[in-house]
Amino acid sequence: GESVGLHLPTLSVQEGDNSIINCAYSNSASDYFIWYKQESGKGPQFIIDIRSNMDKRQGQRVTVLLNKTVKHLSLQIAATQPGDSAVYFCAEIGQAGTALIFGKGTTLSVSS
Amino acid sequence: EADIYQTPRYLVIGTGKKITLECSQTMGHDKMYWYQQDPGMELHLIHYSYGVNSTEKGDLSSESTVSRIRTEHFPLTLESARPSHTSQYLCASSEGTGFGELFFGEGSRLTVL
Repeated sequence: GESVGLHLPTLSVQEGDNSIINCAYSNSASDYFIWYKQESGKGPQFIIDIRSNMDKRQGQRVTVLLNKTVKHLSLQIAATQPGDSAVYFCAEIGQAGTALIFGKGTTLSVSS
Repeated sequence: EADIYQTPRYLVIGTGKKITLECSQTMGHDKMYWYQQDPGMELHLIHYSYGVNSTEKGDLSSESTVSRIRTEHFPLTLESARPSHTSQYLCASSEGTGFGELFFGEGSRLTVL
């Protein structure tokens, strides 16, 4: 079946470092991807999205890179702050095109 | 700030009880979703709706049922709760005819004893 996965379940960085969170997806027909941030006890919050006709998109302190050849998605966070500590999920449109399919999540821990 | 609300936020209930998790959004979104999430794990789609009187089952089989009588309201019901239903349930909505950002509620954490 289809799946969206993340390479590492946890990532620990120092404040001020750049963070890179990776995600591999399986559905080559997917044309829309989103990164979500979920803080403890809260629902996921939208960070940034990208469509398959792009390979890079930048937001405020975040950049998403899409490599369709190897079906890989990454989220880069510049100058990581303690407030960035959360679980990060990538999501893609499912094969049936019905809704977003989420990967397993990477827990980012930022130490001061 | 998304205007999507879930109640209750936390519920502890005994086996066999009927429960309804409420979800309301004030954004006028046609599409609404229920996801189930175990601690530290990914979200699994259990139900979705594209509009009033439209409901479909998601990828993860669930004994829960949903209804969509009004655009803004998408309640989830468990007729007879069991310990295996213990989880967090997240409601979301999205707008438009294509696919875009999902706005999530804060979640309802259900514990069945």
